[in-house]
Amino acid sequence: AQSVSQHNHHVILSEAASLELGCNYSYGGTVNLFWYVQYPGQHLQLLLKYFSGDPLVKGIKGFEAEFIKSKFSFNLRKPSVQWSDTAEYFCAVNPGGYQKVTFGTGTKLQVIP
Amino acid sequence: KAGVTQTPRYLIKTRGQQVTLSCSPISGHRSVSWYQQTPGQGLQFLFEYFSETQRNKGNFPGRFSGRQFSNSRSEMNVSTLELGDSALYLCASSLGLAGGGVKAEQFFGPGTRLTVL
Repeated sequence: AQSVSQHNHHVILSEAASLELGCNYSYGGTVNLFWYVQYPGQHLQLLLKYFSGDPLVKGIKGFEAEFIKSKFSFNLRKPSVQWSDTAEYFCAVNPGGYQKVTFGTGTKLQVIP
Repeated sequence: KAGVTQTPRYLIKTRGQQVTLSCSPISGHRSVSWYQQTPGQGLQFLFEYFSETQRNKGNFPGRFSGRQFSNSRSEMNVSTLELGDSALYLCASSLGLAGGGVKAEQFFGPGTRLTVL
């Protein structure tokens, strides 16, 4: 069965620090990849997505992610975080062939002003 | 365009009772998926409906069931509630089935917070 691992459960950064959140998945075939964010008290919203093409994907609010097929990874990055980035971040993988979407367990990011 | 709506937003039930949650997808979206979100577990997939048919199912007991109507609205039912069913239940809609490329992008509702006492 496919699985998604987010190794960092809780990350604390100071404002302006760089961010990288890890995401690894176990499925070997074609995949669609997503990062979602859940701000406190708000519902899940899509940060960025990868379906095909350029493995470096840019999303909203300055976030980007790189798909490395050989490493089964889709890490999320931001060069300089802000206090408003405090949220929980979820990686999700959706294999082709109309299979279900699998989410990671999430990473809580706390940005200290 | 209105987003995904879920009703009710909050629900308190006691063990043994049953509950029905409702989800209205974005207009034109034909796929509705349900997830259970709990702290530390992330989002666990329950099931996906497309054109009134269940297309995918997660690893939940038979107490969890769902259905989709011809207008794509969906309901989820949990019977014989247990304390461990306390969670945020999320509904997501998409144009097409999961795994179907761009059409599979999911849009989430605010969730229904279920508390079982």
